[in-house]
Amino acid sequence: NAGVTQTPKFQVLKTGQSMTLQCAQDMNHNSMYWYRQDPGMGLRLIYYSASEGTTDKGEVPNGYNVSRLNKREFSLRLESAAPSQTSVYFCASSKNRISGNTIYFGEGSWLTVV
Amino acid sequence: DAKTTQPNSMESNEEEPVHLPCNHSTISGTDYIHWYRQLPSQGPEYVIHGLTSNVNNRMASLAIAEDRKSSTLILHRATLRDAAVYYCILGGTGTASKLTFGTGTRLQVTL
Repeated sequence: NAGVTQTPKFQVLKTGQSMTLQCAQDMNHNSMYWYRQDPGMGLRLIYYSASEGTTDKGEVPNGYNVSRLNKREFSLRLESAAPSQTSVYFCASSKNRISGNTIYFGEGSWLTVV
Repeated sequence: DAKTTQPNSMESNEEEPVHLPCNHSTISGTDYIHWYRQLPSQGPEYVIHGLTSNVNNRMASLAIAEDRKSSTLILHRATLRDAAVYYCILGGTGTASKLTFGTGTRLQVTL
């Protein structure tokens, strides 16, 4: 099973460039999430989508936009990348938003903004 | 949001049990206690979760204090592959999307 797949795995951007991180899950989950993890830190929620057609801001949404393209796919866009957005980005999904559900994570996308 | 407190790091010898503590004194009645772990250069991985009763699965056991203000993740026989950062997280009803990951406990396992 592929689970949660995110691309690209590594990316270097120049300040001001834009890019989109792609994420897809094959578990028929309703809820999807984007987190970022800075060195030595825990994960922080950027945006989430409780179900197809809905998106909501998390803890650190500034500088990002998201699109829930369909039930499987949830993309994260950086419109004008800044060095402060250098981080590891994780996409995740769960059956729904209920707290008892397990969240499944992708392997991460390492982004460097120079 | 309710917070958790974990030691920054712990060490264990291989093949020995490991008890990872977590304090959550402000937990509410509907908060689930989740444990995830993150191996180097990987995404977090689900370990176990519970509400009130102790829980067991193939990976670990979760012991929850009677007042629910603390819990302990128990790895019965640590292996080198268990070396990771372990996160104790609280999630209330309808807020799985807002699980907040702290800095966790870094577990080192030695031969």
